[in-house]
Amino acid sequence: TQLLEQSPQFLSIQEGENLTVYCNSSSVFSSLQWYRQEPGEGPVLLVTVVTGGEVKKLKRLTFQFGDARKDSSLHITAAQPGDTGLYLCAGPPGGATNKLIFGTGTLLAVQP
Amino acid sequence: GAGVSQSPRYKVAKRGQDVALRCDPISGHVSLFWYQQALGQGPEFLTYFQNEAQLDKSGLPSDRFFAERPEGSVSTLKIQRTQQEDSAVYLCASSLARGQGNTIYFGEGSWLTVV
Repeated sequence: TQLLEQSPQFLSIQEGENLTVYCNSSSVFSSLQWYRQEPGEGPVLLVTVVTGGEVKKLKRLTFQFGDARKDSSLHITAAQPGDTGLYLCAGPPGGATNKLIFGTGTLLAVQP
Repeated sequence: GAGVSQSPRYKVAKRGQDVALRCDPISGHVSLFWYQQALGQGPEFLTYFQNEAQLDKSGLPSDRFFAERPEGSVSTLKIQRTQQEDSAVYLCASSLARGQGNTIYFGEGSWLTVV
């Protein structure tokens, strides 16, 4: 069974600080996605990484896919209260095209 | 509406009661997914439809869970004889077509509490 473990599980930081969230697996994924979920809402796709070693930037967010395609990281620079939410990585198990498995989640709180 | 719509948003059911959760996907979206999410955790896959065909139901936790999409649009997730462990948020999602390149859009979820 392919699992995606995220760390840390919880993170509370002050506005302006930097942080990194990790998503790790013992299995290779053809792609990984990152979502942010706010309270009472469904997850919203932030980015998809496909190539090993790939780095994508979305404003203050930087996403990296590991060279072996078993892990990914999300780095946020100068966090803002609006970044607060549950961050989820997700990927297709065994290359499936009809489902995603989600990571365990990282709950981020950015204090003003 | 422009997004995935789910109803009811909140449902409190007595143990043993049957519940039905509705999902209106984005118009024209072929693929529809149901996920179950416990508080503070990542969503877990339940089932997948391509048009009206239920192609994968491997995530349904028991035979008390049943999903349908008879006309390839609206879908209903039914839970019979609800139990406390069924309490969770049930998320519906849709995408334009199969394939990893298609973005999946989630609804806001139906919060089910079984008492």
